[in-house]
Amino acid sequence: KQEVTQIPAALSVPEGENLVLNCSFTDSAIYNLQWFRQDPGKGLTSLLLIQSSQREQTSGRLNASLDKSSGRSTLYIAASQPGDSATYLCAVRTGANNLFFGTGTRLTVIP
Amino acid sequence: GAGVSQSPSNKVTEKGKDVELRCDPISGHTALYWYRQSLGQGLEFLIYFQGNSAPDKSGLPSDRFSAERTGGSVSTLTIQRTQQEDSAVYLCASSLEGDTYEQYFGPGTRLTVT
Repeated sequence: KQEVTQIPAALSVPEGENLVLNCSFTDSAIYNLQWFRQDPGKGLTSLLLIQSSQREQTSGRLNASLDKSSGRSTLYIAASQPGDSATYLCAVRTGANNLFFGTGTRLTVIP
Repeated sequence: GAGVSQSPSNKVTEKGKDVELRCDPISGHTALYWYRQSLGQGLEFLIYFQGNSAPDKSGLPSDRFSAERTGGSVSTLTIQRTQQEDSAVYLCASSLEGDTYEQYFGPGTRLTVT
């Protein structure tokens, strides 16, 4: 069964810093990997989707990379802002009809 | 356009009662998923619908849980004889057909069983 791990579980950084969130998965036979953010009491907002054939995706200040062979992905956030404070979840899509989620990294950006 | 919507946003029920949760997917999305987010458990898959194919029910935790999707659009998740451990946020997602498309999530229904 696919296991997805996210490190660290929580992270606090001062505003303006660049930061990296990590995601690892045990089964490299994935179709794609998706990064989400979740605000307290809210649903999930999709940030980036990386197909298995891709190495990275960028959207604004966000950059996600994928190393499928080693079972790793990173989400890089440049010039962090207080509005970036949220829980970030990575999820992988395998041959099953669903996503396997990590337990998330709770990010706090301090003004 | 409109995103995935779910209702109700919050539901409090007494142990032993039945509840129904509703999901309206994005128009044109043929795939629909239900997930559950519990404290300390993370997000777990419950059930998947794709077009007219038989649903993948492999994630349903017990036979008290069932779901249907009428007309290939709206879906209802039913929990019978609710237990306190059913308390969680129930999230619905939809996507285009195929493994490469991203899933879009609704805001969820927070279920509390007292």
